[in-house]
Amino acid sequence: AQTVTQSQPEMSVQEAETVTLSCTYDTSESDYYLFWYKQPPSRQMILVIRQEAYKQQNATENRFSVNFQKAAKSFSLKISDSQLGDAAMYFCAYGNSGYALNFGKGTSLLVTP
Amino acid sequence: NAGVMQNPRHLVRRRGQEARLRCSPMKGHSHVYWYRQLPEEGLKFMVYLQKENIIDESGMPKERFSAEFPKEGPSILRIQQVVRGDSAAYFCASSSTWNYGYTFGSGTRLTVV
Repeated sequence: AQTVTQSQPEMSVQEAETVTLSCTYDTSESDYYLFWYKQPPSRQMILVIRQEAYKQQNATENRFSVNFQKAAKSFSLKISDSQLGDAAMYFCAYGNSGYALNFGKGTSLLVTP
Repeated sequence: NAGVMQNPRHLVRRRGQEARLRCSPMKGHSHVYWYRQLPEEGLKFMVYLQKENIIDESGMPKERFSAEFPKEGPSILRIQQVVRGDSAAYFCASSSTWNYGYTFGSGTRLTVV
């Protein structure tokens, strides 16, 4: 079974600074998808960014970018110019040709003024 | 586009009662997924449905839990004879195809007293 590990239960960053959230996963598949989701206090799960394993180029979405290291099975999320609204739980997730996404346990991000 | 609608947002049930959780997918989405989030945990896959069909229920407990997605109306996750361990947030997600990332609803928080 594929497992997703987020080794940082909590992270803190100052406004306007950059923070990187870590995620590693375990799989024997070569083709799969990786996701970062944000869960603010409202509980809504919001897709932040998606990476397809066969694409070598790292995905970016505005202030959010990933560092995808396929050989190392690492998929970190970088948030640049952090804003107060970025404060949330962040979940890394893995999916392949099955239907289910496997989620990590999450990283709680605190943004301080 | 109203997004994925889940109701109720909060549900309190006494031990032994039945809980019914509803999910209306986004317009044009025919794939529905249910996940459960226990406190301090990531989301765990329960079941994947398409209209009138259960495609994968490998994550759903064999007893007391059932799900349906009828031809007309919302998808329903039904929990019979609830126990305290069923207390969790239950999320529904929908997609047009699975690999573009789900759109999640805001979840139903079930509390069993």
